Amino acid sequence: AQSVTQPDIHITVSEGASLELRCNYSYGATPYLFWYVQSPGQGLQLLLKYFSGDTLVQGIKGFEAEFKRSQSSFNLRKPSVHWSDAAEYFCAVAPRGGGADGLTFGKGTHLIIQP
Amino acid sequence: NAGVTQTPKFQVLKTGQSMTLQCAQDMNHNSMYWYRQDPGMGLRLIYYSASEGTTDKGEVPNGYNVSRLNKREFSLRLESAAPSQTSVYFCASSEGTSLRNEQFFGPGTRLTVL
Repeated sequence: AQSVTQPDIHITVSEGASLELRCNYSYGATPYLFWYVQSPGQGLQLLLKYFSGDTLVQGIKGFEAEFKRSQSSFNLRKPSVHWSDAAEYFCAVAPRGGGADGLTFGKGTHLIIQP
Repeated sequence: NAGVTQTPKFQVLKTGQSMTLQCAQDMNHNSMYWYRQDPGMGLRLIYYSASEGTTDKGEVPNGYNVSRLNKREFSLRLESAAPSQTSVYFCASSEGTSLRNEQFFGPGTRLTVL
């Protein structure tokens, strides 16, 4: 069965510092890969997605993610975080070529921004 | 466009009571989904509807039923609520049946079962 691991439950970063959130997946074939952000009390918003092609993907709000097939990873990065980036971040996967049977989510990483 | 709307925002039930969570989207999307979110568990799929008139079980369907009332609306029913169903419930929709399509999420319903 496919699974998604986000090893860090909480991460604390100083405002202006760089950020990397880790995501590893376990699946037979490279799945579709997604990062979502959830602000407090809100629904989820898509940051970026990877289907194929260039392994460095640009998203909204200055985020990017790099797909590394050899490591089964899809890590999210931002060069300089802002206080408004404090939120819960979810990595998710979906089977390539699959139907509409939903995404498999990691357990999330809670990002705390220190002033 | 309102996107995906959910009602109610909050609900408290007693064990054994029933209720229906409502979800509607105004984006003319074909597929709709119900997820639950529990602390430390991420989101888990309860049911989904690939298109109007079809529904399928997800990862955690037990204790729930769904109805795809029309293309816009997808409701989730708890027939006999249990404390284990205390959770935040999210509805989502996507344009097509491929998981390449972005899923758009509603704001969630926070349900407590006493």
